[in-house]
Amino acid sequence: QKEVEQDPGPLSVPEGAIVSLNCTYSNSAFQYFMWYRQYSRKGPELLMYTYSSGNKEDGRFTAQVDKSSKYISLFIRDSQPSDSATYLCARDAGGTSYGKLTFGQGTILTVHP
Amino acid sequence: SQTIHQWPATLVQPVGSPLSLECTVEGTSNPNLYWYRQAAGRGLQLLFYSVGIGQISSEVPQNLSASRPQDRQFILSSKKLLLSDSGFYLCASQGNLEAFFGQGTRLTVV
Repeated sequence: QKEVEQDPGPLSVPEGAIVSLNCTYSNSAFQYFMWYRQYSRKGPELLMYTYSSGNKEDGRFTAQVDKSSKYISLFIRDSQPSDSATYLCARDAGGTSYGKLTFGQGTILTVHP
Repeated sequence: SQTIHQWPATLVQPVGSPLSLECTVEGTSNPNLYWYRQAAGRGLQLLFYSVGIGQISSEVPQNLSASRPQDRQFILSSKKLLLSDSGFYLCASQGNLEAFFGQGTRLTVV
């Protein structure tokens, strides 16, 4: 079983839709969870990170962690064509493994006008 | 924030040829540095990480090696490329709960 599992999609939604992106993880020791956005032929850039469990909101983006079910989610409200990209979830186990990220496969999102 | 410089952007190399990809970091000192590979349809796989000059840890067995000759320089190498080495290679530097990535090198081994 992969440490972080993510449905690769692709996911296609109309502009203005609410997008839900999800990942599951297998190791309860994971502490930090991140969402990265990667445009085509570019390096990933950090969107949001959360620690432990709960919600974190930043503008149109909300990251959610449910440690009991080992589920992490990213919600995008009022999606825009500029949100079209690959979204990667990642975990950092922290401690002596701090900085070594494990990524999901990435979900390809297309927001069409 | 940090800036990661990576080159070249694209590279086509024949099987059996050597490889050298270079990464340099600006905006920080003594960073933890990482090489990731992203194959088509897959997420990023950590290949190497370094916590300081001359200190390299390999995460997966492979045909590649890494070196860190200077604090902000990280090099990915191979003596003889295989077809399976094709992929998108990304250098990253660890900030505070954020990894900063370069723009990547798309390597095609033919």
